[in-house]
Amino acid sequence: NAGVTQTPKFQVLKTGQSMTLQCAQDMNHNSMYWYRQDPGMGLRLIYYSASEGTTDKGEVPNGYNVSRLNKREFSLRLESAAPSQTSVYFCASSELSRAGNSPLHFGNGTRLTVT
Amino acid sequence: KNQVEQSPQSLIILEGKNCTLQCNYTVSPFSNLRWYKQDTGRGPVSLTIMTFSENTKSNGRYTATLDADTKQSSLHITASQLSDSASYICVVSAHRGNNRLAFGKGNQVVVIP
Repeated sequence: NAGVTQTPKFQVLKTGQSMTLQCAQDMNHNSMYWYRQDPGMGLRLIYYSASEGTTDKGEVPNGYNVSRLNKREFSLRLESAAPSQTSVYFCASSELSRAGNSPLHFGNGTRLTVT
Repeated sequence: KNQVEQSPQSLIILEGKNCTLQCNYTVSPFSNLRWYKQDTGRGPVSLTIMTFSENTKSNGRYTATLDADTKQSSLHITASQLSDSASYICVVSAHRGNNRLAFGKGNQVVVIP
């Protein structure tokens, strides 16, 4: 039972470097999400994909891009990393397209540090 | 202003004791409320869901309550164990509107022997 798998687990970048965070789920879920979690703040939605072939901005999309490669995979790209993007990034999936109508299943996160 | 407020921010309890975590929300129109448990270094895991018509629901030693009139929920942990040390996150869903969830900042619980 892999569930939601995120890679890498840890990453250190220099300011201006780019990278892609990978996420895959094996539960045949329709919706996938990218969140960031910072100390003292709740999880904040970066982008989501309600179904294969669609993506939408969340509340903090600036500096990020996403690709819903297929039903299983949803990647998050940082084109030019900034120190403000230092965070823990969580990918999640849910069975139904409407957020909240089914529980979120989270990966174990990618801990990103931008120096 | 955050639509979901949780209290206390953190607490330390002795193993075997009970504790209650609070969640107040302003999300409207309300659809449902979930409690998630997040262990250190892991992603959150859903514990329970409360819908408008439900007052109380139990999942093992965890009991959630909902008062939709006052827009308050609580999560009660009975006979705490060391494995209950975690952050407990309250997440509220609106019935319509943008396809987003409102997250609380979490209650950090530390259980000591």
